[in-house]
Amino acid sequence: DADVTQTPRNRITKTGKRIMLECSQTKGHDRMYWYRQDPGLGLRLIYYSFDVKDINKGEISDGYSVSRQAQAKFSLSLESAIPNQTALYFCATSDYFKREGSDTQYFGPGTRLTVL
Amino acid sequence: DAKTTQPNSMESNEEEPVHLPCNHSTISGTDYIHWYRQLPSQGPEYVIHGLTSNVNNRMASLAIAEDRKSSTLILHRATLRDAAVYYCILRDARDYTGGFKTIFGAGTRLFVKA
Repeated sequence: DADVTQTPRNRITKTGKRIMLECSQTKGHDRMYWYRQDPGLGLRLIYYSFDVKDINKGEISDGYSVSRQAQAKFSLSLESAIPNQTALYFCATSDYFKREGSDTQYFGPGTRLTVL
Repeated sequence: DAKTTQPNSMESNEEEPVHLPCNHSTISGTDYIHWYRQLPSQGPEYVIHGLTSNVNNRMASLAIAEDRKSSTLILHRATLRDAAVYYCILRDARDYTGGFKTIFGAGTRLFVKA
């Protein structure tokens, strides 16, 4: 079984609808992230969470909200979807290794969202 | 964040070594060099990372120039499964955000011929 799972894998919705993307992980990591990927723009960070009570905005959080229901679950919501939110969305986890001074991220398979 | 420059694409024959270059001339002393790859229809996957010394793991080797302004990811024997986009990323060890923000750029698309 995959360590980081995302549901749904594909979603088509209409402008103005509320959408929730879900992410679950079995790696036992405290840190979880949501990114979006657009052609030519790489990955951009939407929100990140260091634990259940610690949620932070990333660089492109406008129009999105998140919920960290448990250590293993991190949901991304689009309150009122718009067409320019059409993208590939990735959830990731990491466990910070202070000794190394860096962290490795583990990504889910992605959710392809289309907003018409 | 310091930038990286990679070729848009490279081609290799199966079973041959592949050297993927990355330039990072503005790297700071606390930047780690990370490599990730993204296979078709999948999320990015960690490959290797290093700070100053060359690194080896089961997937690849990372050769870091003495001045740290460039690095090379080495796949010792390319397979068809290695066809992917490879991203060279700098991560500042002082950045406790944890996220990679915008520094997943376009990467290098590796084509492997049978």
